[in-house]
Amino acid sequence: GAVVSQHPSRVICKSGTSVKIECRSLDFQATTMFWYRQFPKQSLMLMATSNEGSKATYEQGVEKDKFLINHASLTLSTLTVTSAHPEDSSFYICSASRGVSTEAFFGQGTRLTVV
Amino acid sequence: GQQLNQSPQSMFIQEGEDVSMNCTSSSIFNTWLWYKQDPGEGPVLLIALYKAGELTSNGRLTAQFGITRKDSFLNISASIPSDVGIYFCAGYYGSSNTGKLIFGQGTTLQVKP
Repeated sequence: GAVVSQHPSRVICKSGTSVKIECRSLDFQATTMFWYRQFPKQSLMLMATSNEGSKATYEQGVEKDKFLINHASLTLSTLTVTSAHPEDSSFYICSASRGVSTEAFFGQGTRLTVV
Repeated sequence: GQQLNQSPQSMFIQEGEDVSMNCTSSSIFNTWLWYKQDPGEGPVLLIALYKAGELTSNGRLTAQFGITRKDSFLNISASIPSDVGIYFCAGYYGSSNTGKLIFGQGTTLQVKP
């Protein structure tokens, strides 16, 4: 399968600071990328869908000003958690696909801890 | 919003047994995907299904896209200890430009040697 790299794998930040998470498709062009949040022992909750060159589409209840998503190129999408608070601590995972309704490949995930 | 109902929630089986899990929805999906997730890692794609009625195998894994496009199942034959993990179904729905990929609740599989 295709390779998606997510960085960093773990990050600890102070409350009030911002954190950027990168998601890269290493060997294919990803026209669509998805960002998920996963709580312990739960499923993946879709936060937003981004298509290259256009604004991300956020799911209901996800604050777009807090979770900034940029899909600047066909191989890179970033998620920035702004003014992080302890309740933002979670496992964030990105996935990338060549197009809608095609195979989606996942990064390794980022464990964010806000202290 | 759209929901995928995955069952069973968990399974504890003996090595060598076959396993079956399924996902259903009240909505039509364009594509069904099955993933396995190990703790602390991202999901790994196991099987992708694109056509209603499609039956696809990947080694000991077999999955089918339901005729109604509202369900899918995954079978694992002759389970082994390394099959342990959480299995998720996922489905695409929506238009060609705004499709979303959503996940079922997951099935936790434990295999007793």
